[in-house]
Amino acid sequence: ELKVEQNPLFLSMQEGKNYTIYCNYSTTSDRLYWYRQDPGKSLESLFVLLSNGAVKQEGRLMASLDTKARLSTLHITAAVHDLSATYFCAVGPMDSNYQLIWGAGTKLIIKP
Amino acid sequence: GAVVSQHPSWVICKSGTSVKIECRSLDFQATTMFWYRQFPKQSLMLMATSNEGSKATYEQGVEKDKFLINHASLTLSTLTVTSAHPEDSSFYICSAIPAPGQSNQETQYFGPGTRLLVL
Repeated sequence: ELKVEQNPLFLSMQEGKNYTIYCNYSTTSDRLYWYRQDPGKSLESLFVLLSNGAVKQEGRLMASLDTKARLSTLHITAAVHDLSATYFCAVGPMDSNYQLIWGAGTKLIIKP
Repeated sequence: GAVVSQHPSWVICKSGTSVKIECRSLDFQATTMFWYRQFPKQSLMLMATSNEGSKATYEQGVEKDKFLINHASLTLSTLTVTSAHPEDSSFYICSAIPAPGQSNQETQYFGPGTRLLVL
């Protein structure tokens, strides 16, 4: 059974600081996704990672995937208040083309 | 591109009534759509997978007679909460995957969600 663990679950940090959110999963997968959710809103796709060593960057966010370690990271550089949100990682099981197993989410609060 | 809409965005209803939620892919065709529910401060819980032209596949513990799903076209799936009760109050989110032959098939695109409150 595929399980996805995110760490930390809650993070409060100052603007300008760097931090990394971790996403571990328990069995082989070939798809990993990062989503952002603002309070009361739906999910926004941030990154899709499909291969070992994949690295994608968008603004102050950078995501990477290590399939051998079954680990993905979401790195925040010089955080700004607008990045405050809940971030979810989701992993696709090998035996399903479309289904996703979700992490619990990381609530990120960035203080001015 | 790849926009998914949901209607309504908010609904308040009395206990015992049925509520229909629509999920539409606006600029792409989707053979597969998913229905999730999310409780406050929790992650998403997959309820069912909706395939165009066939019966939905429900996750364990989800009552198929209570949560009726119809995926009648490549751009529309509906979720009907029958005889709703207060414990059905939740945030319901749909997502859609572009059909084969279209771009970005690896990504699920999410609707804005429907907040249901049953009194």
